[in-house]
Amino acid sequence: NAGVTQTPKFRVLKTGQSMTLLCAQDMNHEYMYWYRQDPGMGLRLIHYSVGEGTTAKGEVPDGYNVSRLKKQNFLLGLESAAPSQTSVYFCASTPRGPWGNQPQHFGDGTRLSIL
Amino acid sequence: AQTVTQSQPEMSVQEAETVTLSCTYDTSENNYYLFWYKQPPSRQMILVIRQEAYKQQNATENRFSVNFQKAAKSFSLKISDSQLGDTAMYFCAFTQYNNNDMRFGAGTRLTVKP
Repeated sequence: NAGVTQTPKFRVLKTGQSMTLLCAQDMNHEYMYWYRQDPGMGLRLIHYSVGEGTTAKGEVPDGYNVSRLKKQNFLLGLESAAPSQTSVYFCASTPRGPWGNQPQHFGDGTRLSIL
Repeated sequence: AQTVTQSQPEMSVQEAETVTLSCTYDTSENNYYLFWYKQPPSRQMILVIRQEAYKQQNATENRFSVNFQKAAKSFSLKISDSQLGDTAMYFCAFTQYNNNDMRFGAGTRLTVKP
């Protein structure tokens, strides 16, 4: 049982380039989340999805887009990468929301550096 | 907006001793949930303990327990019989019922010394 898998684990981009981060979960969870973690700060929610075909903005959505075409996958896109988007990105999933009695399952993170 | 504050950036404790990590939060809501997450050097986020605000009883999970003071908006984590494997960043987190925007504190780096 793989849980939550993030691809890639590391990436270096140049300013202005685009890329997509993939999150895949095999637990049949409805809810999926993308967070970013910056030094000296906790995780901050970028976007989330409460089911296939749905997405919504979190605390820091600017500069990112997401899609949830399949229930098991949640994609995070950077259309024109900026140095301020250098961060570690985490994906998480849960059967219900984070208030539920089943915890969020996190991936191992993607370290993204933008030069 | 809800905020979560962890005032101790770093702490250390001797193996087998007890340590308490502090967390305060700000909210005007009554129905919410509080969490402590552990992030070891492997980077994986692991749920340590969860507290429902409407429950007065403090949550416990083996060596981990919380002191939940609702009126003071305080939610501290006590680790008893500290082990080397407890060395990690610890994040306090908050979410309201039916709200997907979970808020995290800045974290406390805990080092357990042999």
